[in-house]
Amino acid sequence: EAGVAQSPRYKIIEKRQSVAFWCNPISGHATLYWYQQILGQGPKLLIQFQNNGVVDDSQLPKDRFSAERLKGVDSTLKIQPAKLEDSAVYLCASSLDPPGLAGQNIQYFGAGTRLSVL
Amino acid sequence: LAKTTQPISMDSYEGQEVNITCSHNNIATNDYITWYQQFPSQGPRFIIQGYKTKVTNEVASLFIPADRKSSTLSLPRVSLSDTAVYYCLEYGGSQGNLIFGKGTKLSVKP
Repeated sequence: EAGVAQSPRYKIIEKRQSVAFWCNPISGHATLYWYQQILGQGPKLLIQFQNNGVVDDSQLPKDRFSAERLKGVDSTLKIQPAKLEDSAVYLCASSLDPPGLAGQNIQYFGAGTRLSVL
Repeated sequence: LAKTTQPISMDSYEGQEVNITCSHNNIATNDYITWYQQFPSQGPRFIIQGYKTKVTNEVASLFIPADRKSSTLSLPRVSLSDTAVYYCLEYGGSQGNLIFGKGTKLSVKP
């Protein structure tokens, strides 16, 4: 079974530039997550999709971050404009079980995109 | 703010059993307890999940007492390749409920 695919693996940009990350979840997984992981910290949930609808985006900095999941499959996360503090690894994950189902919710993560903002 | 509390780091030697305990002081009735493992430059990987008592798979065991205020991940006979960060997580499907802490950095020495 193919895992969660993310691209690019690495990205270096200057502050105030824009950047986009792409994620292809495991086939059949209804729920997709984007996380931000700053060095030395655990992943922080940015946004959670159920099919192509947003379930939780309470921690997404909406003035600069946006995400979409067209057709309920692939997803893109965009930052515009980027700030120095956005330097982190951006992880995408997917799960078979939908949110609201007690328990389960085993998430499968991609390798992430390491973003460096200079 | 992380909902769980776990040690920042632990050291062990090859062949030993390692137990990592996580506190779940405010766990909700519907929450399951899940543990993930993360190697450098990789995303977290699911290890084990449970609701109460004991769960065992080919990788680890998870012990959850009756009050569910804590959980213990047990790794039998660790090897150098078990050196990683281990996260405990509670999740019951509620919005805003997916919170990872800083994890426990396990270092296994020869």
